[in-house]
Amino acid sequence: GAVVSQHPSRVICKSGTSVKIECRSLDFQATTMFWYRQFPKQSLMLMATSNEGSKATYEQGVEKDKFLINHASLTLSTLTVTSAHPEDSSFYICSASVGQETQYFGPGTRLLVL
Amino acid sequence: GENVEQHPSTLSVQEGDSAVIKCTYSDSASNYFPWYKQELGKRPQLIIDIRSNVGEKKDQRIAVTLNKTAKHFSLHITETQPEDSAVYFCAASIEDMRFGAGTRLTVKP
Repeated sequence: GAVVSQHPSRVICKSGTSVKIECRSLDFQATTMFWYRQFPKQSLMLMATSNEGSKATYEQGVEKDKFLINHASLTLSTLTVTSAHPEDSSFYICSASVGQETQYFGPGTRLLVL
Repeated sequence: GENVEQHPSTLSVQEGDSAVIKCTYSDSASNYFPWYKQELGKRPQLIIDIRSNVGEKKDQRIAVTLNKTAKHFSLHITETQPEDSAVYFCAASIEDMRFGAGTRLTVKP
């Protein structure tokens, strides 16, 4: 149990375009979903926390207008990187939790902006 | 906010030896401390966790200890095997989880 999927697994896009990443909890309802960004050989950096039906809470330094998060249901959250630039290239990982404790991670999405 | 420091950044051991990774945290209100294992290109996987009302927890070859007074917790892996090679992350959580920088463990056969 506790499976989280993420789509797409890999995306290459041109600079200036927008990219949407989906995160789904497949066999449980997630009260909270988290979006992380991971640079090569570095730790996971929390970008934002989202609760179903409410606005996401962004970490300091994360542009909410650039990284749009929608948490439409208890099993789906989306992250849209708007007007992507090469510096946005990274590994984006979502996680889902029931309550505030154990988080189950998606497989990640590798974004490359050319 | 919470700040988690993790040491060492790299660790190399011989197969069969023990490995210890240490983390410190800054916010005494943190009450949940998970450890994740991340293999190259894959998602982090929870391997063990401990809550603030417990001092030690063991699961086969893996154990975690927590010292609330000193605000540090450690991961212990005994009888290491090559498949234990990965990056290990500690984390501390009140509501949001903050991760340590990670430790790249290499187990030499």
